[in-house]
Order: sequence, then C-alpha cells, then structure tokens
Amino acid sequence: GAVVSQHPSRVICKSGTSVKIECRSLDFQATTMFWYRQFPKQSLMLMATSNEGSKATYEQGVEKDKFLINHASLTLSTLTVTSAHPEDSSFYICSARALDEKLFFGSGTQLSVL
Amino acid sequence: AQSVAQPEDQVNVAEGNPLTVKCTYSVSGNPYLFWYVQYPNRGLQFLLKYITGDNLVKGSYGFEAEFNKSQTSFHLKKPSALVSDSALYFCAVRGLYNQGGKLIFGQGTELSVKP
Repeated sequence: GAVVSQHPSRVICKSGTSVKIECRSLDFQATTMFWYRQFPKQSLMLMATSNEGSKATYEQGVEKDKFLINHASLTLSTLTVTSAHPEDSSFYICSARALDEKLFFGSGTQLSVL
Repeated sequence: AQSVAQPEDQVNVAEGNPLTVKCTYSVSGNPYLFWYVQYPNRGLQFLLKYITGDNLVKGSYGFEAEFNKSQTSFHLKKPSALVSDSALYFCAVRGLYNQGGKLIFGQGTELSVKP
C-alpha cells in the first residue's frame, strides 16, 4: 500500500533553535498534506493544510510564523518549528491525500525541546 | 460543523470477549466516517470507513463498524478481542468540501485487552 515517510521520528533540541520535519509520499503524489499535533493520549489537532505550490491554510490559533509549512512538490511537505520552546514539545503527525482521495499517515515525530 | 464524539476515554476487555468502542457523529449532509488505530509513538493506521452502502462495514484485523443513522452512531466492534488490539482508537469524520476535506478526529479511546 501507499507509504508516507516522516523524518525524523524523534528529535531533541535546545530552546531557541529551529527544527524541520519532513513528510514524503513515497509512491504516490499528494496534492494535499495535513499537519497534526498530538499531546499524550489525546486527539490529533489539525494545525494546517498544505497544498502543493500554494500557501498553507492554518487552523485558528496556530501561529503561521512559528510553524512554517512548505509544500514545494507533490511528494514533499516540511514543517519547521521556529525558535522552539519547551511548550512546543509534542508529537507531530503528517498525512497525505492521494489523487484518489485516500489519506495516509506518517509515523509521527516526537519533538522534545529542552 | 462536522464532529464526532467518543464518550469513553478507556475501554477494558478480557481477551476473547467481544469489544465495542463507541462513536457518535454530528454532520451536515451524508457522513464520511472513519476508524483509525494508533500504537504508542506511531502514526495512525486506517481500519475502515463508511461512505455509502451497507451499514455494516468490515475492516482490517477483524474489526467492523456499524453505521446507525437513527442513533447517529458508528461504533467499532470486534467479536473476539486480542491482547495485541490494545491501542488508542480514533473515530473521524471528513470535513465539508469547503473545509478542504480534512479529517476531524474524536477524542480517542484507549482500549486495553487483558489476558
């Protein structure tokens, strides 16, 4: 089946640094990718919807200057957490929508900001 | 607005017994409903979906779900639970077209299957 690769799976960084998370659709083209944030044992909260070649659409309350999303190609979207702080520590998950409308999820990235 | 609710934070079942994880929905128009499973520190895995057709939907790993329009429910079921079914389960509904078709998730239900 279709695979979405999310990298890195785990990252630890110092407060004030920036972290980039990649989401790749390995064997299909994804016109739309979604970025979610999840706290332990809680639901996924949609952060933004990313469309290839255009600006991302952010959910209410999500700082677009803090969470930079780039969707430069049909197989790659990146989320950059800028000037990370401990409260940004969370599990981040991407999902990609294929041309047949099916959704596939990445395996997630655990971000820990010290 | 589209939404789903999972009324139980946790469900405990003995191995071999049937399990049910509850989900109710509120939608405008016809619902597109999904169930996903998440193992610790992993992404979500698709279990099954309902769009149209038979109210009983069969999915992966022996799971099934019953769409009940009158009760606005889409409960996940399995006739005989396995210890390996222990995980976090999410019900989801697809947003309206003008919402970009995003998935809206329920709060999640932690399923614990004991030997």
